[in-house]
Amino acid sequence: GDSVTQMEGPVTLSEEAFLTINCTYTATGYPSLFWYVQYPGEGLQLLLKATKADDKGSNKGFEATYRKETTSFHLEKGSVQVSDSAVYFCALANGYGNKLVFGAGTILRVKS
Amino acid sequence: EPEVTQTPSHQVTQMGQEVILRCVPISNHLYFYWYRQILGQKVEFLVSFYNNEISEKSEIFDDQFSVERPDGSNFTLKIRSTKLEDSAMYFCASRLTALNTEAFFGQGTRLTVV
Repeated sequence: GDSVTQMEGPVTLSEEAFLTINCTYTATGYPSLFWYVQYPGEGLQLLLKATKADDKGSNKGFEATYRKETTSFHLEKGSVQVSDSAVYFCALANGYGNKLVFGAGTILRVKS
Repeated sequence: EPEVTQTPSHQVTQMGQEVILRCVPISNHLYFYWYRQILGQKVEFLVSFYNNEISEKSEIFDDQFSVERPDGSNFTLKIRSTKLEDSAMYFCASRLTALNTEAFFGQGTRLTVV
């Protein structure tokens, strides 16, 4: 079945550092890809998405490009802030009904 | 901004008891989902619901679980005879259509079975 693999955390960075969180997927067909973020004590919020190969999703300074050739959707941000500290989930949706298949999540901690 | 609302935020129950987790999806959405996240583990799909019936369910969603949309607004997850391993955060989500649109999640209900 479909699956998502994320780099393990926690990832600890200093403020203004560059962030990369790796995500690869296994799926049949042409899934849509997502990054969700979970801030402490809150639910899941969509951060960005891409629905076809070579699409770039972006939001709040975060970016990810749908790479079909490497089955990847890595999350990047050029300069992280303390307020970016959260858990980041890579996910895919595939087929009718579009249930989400999540990766394990990566904890990001940003120090001032 | 419209949002998905879940109640209660935290529920503690005795093993063997029944619990009902409640969700109010966004009003014009047509697809509804339950997911769960056991502490420290990934978010897992439980069930999807459309047109007043289950459209897909995972292996986790066995006879212990049921879902219902009793009226035009609520979407409930019932867990009969709870077990310790049912302790998790349960998330409700809704989606306008099935085709590549954003799923909106509620804040979650933390279920603790003791």
